[in-house]
Amino acid sequence: DSGVTQTPKHLITATGQRVTLRCSPRSGDLSVYWYQQSLDQGLQFLIQYYNGEERAKGNILERFSAQQFPDLHSELNLSSLELGDSALYFCASKPIVGAGLSSYTFGSGTRLTVV
Amino acid sequence: LAKTTQPISMDSYEGQEVNITCSHNNIATNDYITWYQQFPSQGPRFIIQGYKTKVTNEVASLFIPADRKSSTLSLPRVSLSDTAVYYCLVGDSGAGSYQLTFGKGTKLSVIP
Repeated sequence: DSGVTQTPKHLITATGQRVTLRCSPRSGDLSVYWYQQSLDQGLQFLIQYYNGEERAKGNILERFSAQQFPDLHSELNLSSLELGDSALYFCASKPIVGAGLSSYTFGSGTRLTVV
Repeated sequence: LAKTTQPISMDSYEGQEVNITCSHNNIATNDYITWYQQFPSQGPRFIIQGYKTKVTNEVASLFIPADRKSSTLSLPRVSLSDTAVYYCLVGDSGAGSYQLTFGKGTKLSVIP
């Protein structure tokens, strides 16, 4: 157990639907990062939050959005789902700013299947 | 983060030592070299980090030559459970809260 909790582990939904993925960071970590990993693809950075505020955006589609709540958990909302959105979605957390490349902790991911 | 180049894939038999080399010609003075490991259907996990010479922990060793333009991750006596993708990342360990940028990594397949 890495300390980063992602729910649900698996999700199957139909095209056009909307889903919410949840991430609880490791205790004390203020930063949350979302990544998407499609089949045989690398990890693509989507978005980062730090202590409730959006800090950086990567290759995140307009149909996707995220937020980080006061208790520091984060949710990634995916809407108008397409077949190509099927992927593993990972959340990572990190403690204070400047904690270094070694300090990222990833969850076990949510596998989203769009049918 | 500095650009890195590593082999796409490697095969090894159980019990052998595996060395994965990463090139990072544009490494900056303040940059550290960090390796993550990702098992199938799991999130990446940190395995080792170094700045120069050699670093060893219970999982792996990291060899960094004097010019720091490359590094070698060494896995001693691999087993089937070492089958994973290994990512090399180079960046300033004390920098701000930027996102990790993963390349394709090296897919290591351990054969019985």
